Amino acid sequence: DAGITQSPRHKVTETGTPVTLRCHQTENHRYMYWYRQDPGHGLRLIHYSYGVKDTDKGEVSDGYSVSRSKTEDFLLTLESATSSQTSVYFCAISVTLETGHTFGSGTRLTVV
Amino acid sequence: AQTVTQSQPEMSVQEAETVTLSCTYDTSENNYYLFWYKQPPSRQMILVIRQEAYKQQNATENRFSVNFQKAAKSFSLKISDSQLGDTAMYFCAFMNPLLNTGNQFYFGTGTSLTVIP
Repeated sequence: DAGITQSPRHKVTETGTPVTLRCHQTENHRYMYWYRQDPGHGLRLIHYSYGVKDTDKGEVSDGYSVSRSKTEDFLLTLESATSSQTSVYFCAISVTLETGHTFGSGTRLTVV
Repeated sequence: AQTVTQSQPEMSVQEAETVTLSCTYDTSENNYYLFWYKQPPSRQMILVIRQEAYKQQNATENRFSVNFQKAAKSFSLKISDSQLGDTAMYFCAFMNPLLNTGNQFYFGTGTSLTVIP
């Protein structure tokens, strides 16, 4: 199994505060992704990375930034959290095209 | 943008029976991949089955099989001999590696399946 861990697993934060979610992989895979999951929307791509310092926007990138300074870590930052960013956030890696995405266990973020 | 549609928000099936989950997608590309993921109450996303568009043969994995109709852009999932552990949210996903550098996935909105004892 590709080792992929997300932290924290749960977080409650106040509106207007910055929040950083971490995704860590142990297999040196090139591609990493951040999705958010909301009822009625499925999973939507926020940002993705195709290498160290190589990132690009996804479908719902407004209000989010990412950084990848090392192959193994992909950070998602909410610069100023809003209630609309209350969601479950998933990190994923692509091992190969054939195997598709491997997901982390998700982070439930609540913005109050 | 590519779109993936799952028109059945909720479904139920009796234990040991067969159920089919529907998925349609929209693309003008010829080469792509399709996937079904399962998300049980634990929240973990688990790959169930995948299909390469260039393969005409439908993929099967034990009790799970797909009906891939390329011309109709349809990719349904059939679960045979349903078990209580199949209760989960199921997501259909599309990926075209030629669209961009990131091998992005596009997901449907999900179908919540309940297996009734």
